[in-house]
Amino acid sequence: DTAVSQTPKYLVTQMGNDKSIKCEQNLGHDTMYWYKQDSKKFLKIMFSYNNKELIINETVPNRFSPKSPDKAHLNLHINSLELGDSAVYFCASEVRGQETQYFGPGTRLLVL
Amino acid sequence: DAKTTQPNSMESNEEEPVHLPCNHSTISGTDYIHWYRQLPSQGPEYVIHGLTSNVNNRMASLAIAEDRKSSTLILHRATLRDAAVYYCILAGGGADGLTFGKGTHLIIQP
Repeated sequence: DTAVSQTPKYLVTQMGNDKSIKCEQNLGHDTMYWYKQDSKKFLKIMFSYNNKELIINETVPNRFSPKSPDKAHLNLHINSLELGDSAVYFCASEVRGQETQYFGPGTRLLVL
Repeated sequence: DAKTTQPNSMESNEEEPVHLPCNHSTISGTDYIHWYRQLPSQGPEYVIHGLTSNVNNRMASLAIAEDRKSSTLILHRATLRDAAVYYCILAGGGADGLTFGKGTHLIIQP
């Protein structure tokens, strides 16, 4: 069974659209993250959620909003998509304090 | 976050040991040293982490200098599947997420 899963794997859309990326973990972890990897392959933290509470928000435009319906899910909703949003988005989960993050396979977003 | 410095790339032969260095001269007393790797078209994968003592697991070994200002990830017998970007990361244990640098692109020659 996949520990951290993301859907969709690929997402191609037009500028200005609104889209969501879903993330689910079956590890029972209490902290989940979203990362963005741009075309230069730099991985940057975007958000983290601990027990459904947003902990950090790293200078991310407010067009991006994480939503956590329960401890096992952390979805990423993006409004008014821009060309610069094209990237690979990774979800990760962790037991807080245990220092090991488990990453999903990534969602490759292309905005045209 | 404390920064790390790694070589941009390294090359090794299959079935030989690989030593991946990392410098972290500004490490604080509470920072753990983490190693993750990212295989092509995949998400990052945890490899190993440590605080002061050397660590071993099924994937690799982590050798930490006595002053903690540097560390070395050791792959004892590299395979083609170990070709990836290896990231050395310092993390203090909070839920702040991981700060990834450029990492070392490890190339394995058959």
